[in-house]
Amino acid sequence: QKEVEQDPGPLSVPEGAIVSLNCTYSNSAFQYFMWYRQYSRKGPELLMYTYSSGNKEDGRFTAQVDKSSKYISLFIRDSQPSDSATYLCAMRGAGGTSYGKLTFGQGTILTVHP
Amino acid sequence: DAGVTQSPTHLIKTRGQQVTLRCSPKSGHDTVSWYQQALGQGPQFIFQYYEEEERQRGNFPDRFSGHQFPNYSSELNVNALLLGDSALYLCASSGDSFTGELFFGEGSRLTVL
Repeated sequence: QKEVEQDPGPLSVPEGAIVSLNCTYSNSAFQYFMWYRQYSRKGPELLMYTYSSGNKEDGRFTAQVDKSSKYISLFIRDSQPSDSATYLCAMRGAGGTSYGKLTFGQGTILTVHP
Repeated sequence: DAGVTQSPTHLIKTRGQQVTLRCSPKSGHDTVSWYQQALGQGPQFIFQYYEEEERQRGNFPDRFSGHQFPNYSSELNVNALLLGDSALYLCASSGDSFTGELFFGEGSRLTVL
């Protein structure tokens, strides 16, 4: 069993739709949770970073963490064609030595069509 | 301010050969991590370098080795290439921040024939 499981999709939605992306994890040591966006032929870029359980909002993006259920989500409101990309969840443990060691989900390909 | 830069962007090798990939971290960053991303998969952690030492290592064989130079740039070496080593190799750098946010380069795409 993989430490991080991500709904693989792919997802295709109309412009303006609400998108929900999800990951589950099995390692209780994971304390920090991230969502990265990766455009084709590019490196991942950080979208959201969360530590505690609950919601964190940034513009059209909301990250949700439920540590008791080992479940994280990313919601995208009013989706735009420019949101079309692969979305990767990532997580790591606590402590300075864990900073660079992220465990990623397999990614979800999102297409937003006009 | 230049971000993380990697070279080469693309390369083709044959089985059994050796390859060296290079990375310059974002200005001000002293820690470099390397990841392997197979097609359709998320990145997998290979190892991390800090102060010219390998600080952490993922589940990769000894064929994968690295180096960090005094200017914080880094190299990833892969010996005895296998077909399964074909992937996008990503370098990420981080500095002294609470979040330890990683900044990724655009990667080096390796094809092994």
